[in-house]
Amino acid sequence: DVVMTQSPLSLPVTLGQSASISCRSSQGLVHSDGNIYLSWFQQRPGQSPRRLIYQVSNRDSGVPDRFSGSGSGTDFTLKITRVEAEDVGVYYCMQGSHWPRTFGQGTKVEIK
Amino acid sequence: QVQLQASGPGLVKPSETLSLTCTVSGYSISSGYYWDWIRQPPGKGLEWIGTIQSSGHTYSNPSLKSRVTISVDTSKNQFSLRLNSVTAADTAVYYCARGPSSDYWGQGTLVIVSS
Repeated sequence: DVVMTQSPLSLPVTLGQSASISCRSSQGLVHSDGNIYLSWFQQRPGQSPRRLIYQVSNRDSGVPDRFSGSGSGTDFTLKITRVEAEDVGVYYCMQGSHWPRTFGQGTKVEIK
Repeated sequence: QVQLQASGPGLVKPSETLSLTCTVSGYSISSGYYWDWIRQPPGKGLEWIGTIQSSGHTYSNPSLKSRVTISVDTSKNQFSLRLNSVTAADTAVYYCARGPSSDYWGQGTLVIVSS
């Protein structure tokens, strides 16, 4: 299985500041069709996960442009600029390029 | 808008079979995509269980494979999960989602395994 390792696992952030979450895969994520199926999800307390980013850097409809994804090879990053109170929650990366799909452990974002 | 809703018993006895159904609205399963089951034990992270395509082709997580059956009923626009020989470790919120990148999720249903 492809192991997805996130860091940090806990991220206290000051309102208005930026936050970055790293996700490292144990092998490359290029699918046989040439795409990289690396997604980021936000899970607010008591809610289902919500996809924010797909294929590394494509933002989903309705997701604020404060969220951005980047990366290549085995290293990927989710960046949140100008953190707001509504951004509190746990963030997961997930790879869908190889079977089985696998998630990172999650990064808990909280406000300082 | 695509919506998914998981349903099924909230309590299952150890060694018995967990059965859940996901009803999809706003999109026809037979039109494509993958249809996934994902679970989350209380206070823990997400675990991908398996997927099915409208063709009936399935793939399950090897960690659960021998216990998992995923099926689809395109006439009802539903897909289902059966997990047999459950233990307390199978207690979790079970989500259904549209794959391959999980762009739509159901609300999740808590299943507790207990006698």
